[in-house]
Parts: sequence; C-alpha cells; structure tokens
Amino acid sequence: EDQVTQSPEALRLQEGESSSLNCSYTVSGLRGLFWYRQDPGKGPEFLFTLYSAGEEKEKERLKATLTKKESFLHITAPKPEDSATYLCAVSNSGGSNYKLTFGKGTLLTVNP
Amino acid sequence: EPEVTQTPSHQVTQMGQEVILRCVPISNHLYFYWYRQILGQKVEFLVSFYNNEISEKSEIFDDQFSVERPDGSNFTLKIRSTKLEDSAMYFCASKLQHGATGITDTQYFGPGTRLTVL
Repeated sequence: EDQVTQSPEALRLQEGESSSLNCSYTVSGLRGLFWYRQDPGKGPEFLFTLYSAGEEKEKERLKATLTKKESFLHITAPKPEDSATYLCAVSNSGGSNYKLTFGKGTLLTVNP
Repeated sequence: EPEVTQTPSHQVTQMGQEVILRCVPISNHLYFYWYRQILGQKVEFLVSFYNNEISEKSEIFDDQFSVERPDGSNFTLKIRSTKLEDSAMYFCASKLQHGATGITDTQYFGPGTRLTVL
C-alpha cells in the first residue's frame, strides 16, 4: 500500500525566514510525486510534478527536490501570502489510472 | 487558463437523500477522478474514470456511489442514500492522457463541493 508522510504537521515562520517541508513516501514503483497548495475551503492547486530522483523544479520562492525516499519543498524568503497547507502526493507506476495517494499536509503560517 | 469547475459549491441534504455533485473537467482531458476530504483529514481517492468506464475505485466507493459522464463535458458523482459520514469536501480532478511528447500525469483539481448531511 502506498504511503505518504509529511512533516512537520505545522510550521510557523517569520517573513523572510527560509525553511523546508518534508515528504517521505513508500510506493512499490514511483510514477510521479506531486506538490499541491491548498487554501482553506479550496481545492488543491498544482505546484510541481517530479518523476525521478535528483530532479528539481522551481517556481518563484518554491523549490521541490526528489530522492528515492523523500521530497523536500524549500521555501526561500517566504511572504505572508505563502501561508497555506502544502500537500504531497504520489502516483504508482503499477496500473493505468494513476490515482493519487496524499499525505496529511503541512500547514504553513508566515507572519509579517 | 482552463480550469475544472464544480457545482454546487455547498450542498446540504438530509440523511437518506440522494445527491448529485457535478463537475466540468478541462476540455481536452481524458482521465477523470473524484476525491473526498473529511474535515481535518487527508484527501482520499474515490474513483477514476476513463474511456467511459470506471478504471479503479477505492473501498469507500461502495454501491451507494456511482459516476457518470452523461455528455461530452459533465462528470457527475451520485450518492444514492447519504449518511452522516458522507459529510466532506468532494473534489473532481482531471488529467490529460499520457502522450507521445512526454509524461502528462498532473491532475488538476476543482474548487470542491462541500457536502453536509444532516
């Protein structure tokens, strides 16, 4: 069974204070690892897809990296508008429907 | 920018009633999904749909649930007899088929329907 564990559950940062969120995963065969942002009462908003160990993707203040067992979402000089829950999900290479298995998420609060 | 839309945004129903949640996936996408998120919990997979049939369903997706693509644009989730524990946010997602030009596995989610069962 695919499993995704995210840590920490909650993270409070001051504006400009860089940090990283962790996503550890167990999957029989990784097809892709996905990062989403979720605001309260909203749907997950796509951020990144990573397919193979060593891959990195960047977007504004966010950078996602992938190893064979975990992924990190690095946040550089965050702003209050980066406050949200960040979700990590994996899809398994077995089968063809590519369903996502999600972690519980990390609630990020950035104080001005 | 194309997006997945869902209606209604909030549905309140009595236990035992039938509800239909509606989704309009991104127009050129071919894989469709329903997920749910109970308050404070993980987003959970319910069902995937491809080529006009269910391709996989979770244990949650029992006989009370059904999905349909009645026309070329809509994708619906029906719950025949709602229970209190069906109260959750329900998200529709869609994905472009894996193509020859590269892997296109990203699922795009709608804003969700909040279902409240009283």
